[in-house]
Amino acid sequence: LAKTTQPISMDSYEGQEVNITCSHNNIATNDYITWYQQFPSQGPRFIIQGYKTKVTNEVASLFIPADRKSSTLSLPRVSLSDTAVYYCLVGLNYNQGGKLIFGQGTELSVKP
Amino acid sequence: GAVVSQHPSWVICKSGTSVKIECRSLDFQATTMFWYRQFPKQSLMLMATSNEGSKATYEQGVEKDKFLINHASLTLSTLTVTSAHPEDSSFYICSASRASGTYNEQFFGPGTRLTVL
Repeated sequence: LAKTTQPISMDSYEGQEVNITCSHNNIATNDYITWYQQFPSQGPRFIIQGYKTKVTNEVASLFIPADRKSSTLSLPRVSLSDTAVYYCLVGLNYNQGGKLIFGQGTELSVKP
Repeated sequence: GAVVSQHPSWVICKSGTSVKIECRSLDFQATTMFWYRQFPKQSLMLMATSNEGSKATYEQGVEKDKFLINHASLTLSTLTVTSAHPEDSSFYICSASRASGTYNEQFFGPGTRLTVL
């Protein structure tokens, strides 16, 4: 299973765009890249998922370069409520039974 | 999105007792369920993978006789912490997997806070 590397923490201010980059050098051909958000004492919440290029939904964008060895989660105009831990995971390959291994995550702190 | 529930949301027990935690997929049938534990300020650690009707597959270092997993139906998996001790105090989170085309979508429950006195 591909290992991921993310910054341990990031600080931002309300209204700014936040980009969190994740490295996954040994991502497999069939692996998808998924980002989760977790607030204290809650289960992780799905943010976005992609395989290649760019994916956008109502809360975030995910940029994946052609070699897929990294990905960047972009949160537009963050607010205080976006303070959370963000996890980048690779996997969910059907043939692997969907097993996910969480890395250390990035603790995002949004300040007023 | 699909909903996964856990019961109880928190539990306090005495050392030496057993505690059962339920994980349910409310509006879909889960091909596979997963159990994680999370200590304060740490990431989620996968404990085991559970498939309906078969024995769970435990990750290295997880005691299968300590953490009993039963997956009796496509919507319910249970984790029993047997003879709990204070070091078992943790946040236990389950997830349920639903096949979607060529990959699995995974949905997480809200977690169960276990405190062993």
